[in-house]
Amino acid sequence: AQRVTQPEKLLSVFKGAPVELKCNYSYSGSPELFWYVQYSRQRLQLLLRHISRESIKGFTADLNKGETSFHLKKPFAQEEDSAMYYCALSRGYQKVTFGTGTKLQVIP
Amino acid sequence: DVKVTQSSRYLVKRTGEKVFLECVQDMDHENMFWYRQDPGLGLRLIYFSYDVKMKEKGDIPEGYSVSREKKERFSLILESASTNQTSMYLCASAPGTTVQADTQYFGPGTRLTVL
Repeated sequence: AQRVTQPEKLLSVFKGAPVELKCNYSYSGSPELFWYVQYSRQRLQLLLRHISRESIKGFTADLNKGETSFHLKKPFAQEEDSAMYYCALSRGYQKVTFGTGTKLQVIP
Repeated sequence: DVKVTQSSRYLVKRTGEKVFLECVQDMDHENMFWYRQDPGLGLRLIYFSYDVKMKEKGDIPEGYSVSREKKERFSLILESASTNQTSMYLCASAPGTTVQADTQYFGPGTRLTVL
């Protein structure tokens, strides 16, 4: 069965520190993975997807098929990065499984 | 700019009432989704529609039904609301350009409280 695991409910880091939000998945096929973000009082929106290999707002995520992981990273956290982050896995024709989310809190 | 709108931001209903949540998108997207968002549980798919009048059950369809009579509109219906359906409901839409999954565009959410 497809599953997305985000082990941390809350991650607190100081401004300027590196950030790593963990995401592990289980999927028998070729995975397609996403990170979505929800800032306070805003709607959920796409941050990045692995097939585009983009860096958005300084965030990157590399798909590691051996470790079945898709961790989200940023070298230097900023206060405006504080938000709820969801990892998501495509499970075939437009259906997506979301993780339980990690709240990132950047301490000034 | 894709716009997904939901009919209400906040809704309070009584147990046993029939509840309608409406979602409209203006980008001619093929696919529309209803999720509920609960703390610690993330987003869970209730129903999904890939075309007008076409629907597919998600992971938690019990107690819900949906209607898609027009491409731009997708309604979620709670036939007889119960307190365990108190939640944040998110609507999303996505184009149908790929087999796997396109980017989903979300509405602002409806916070439903069932008393």
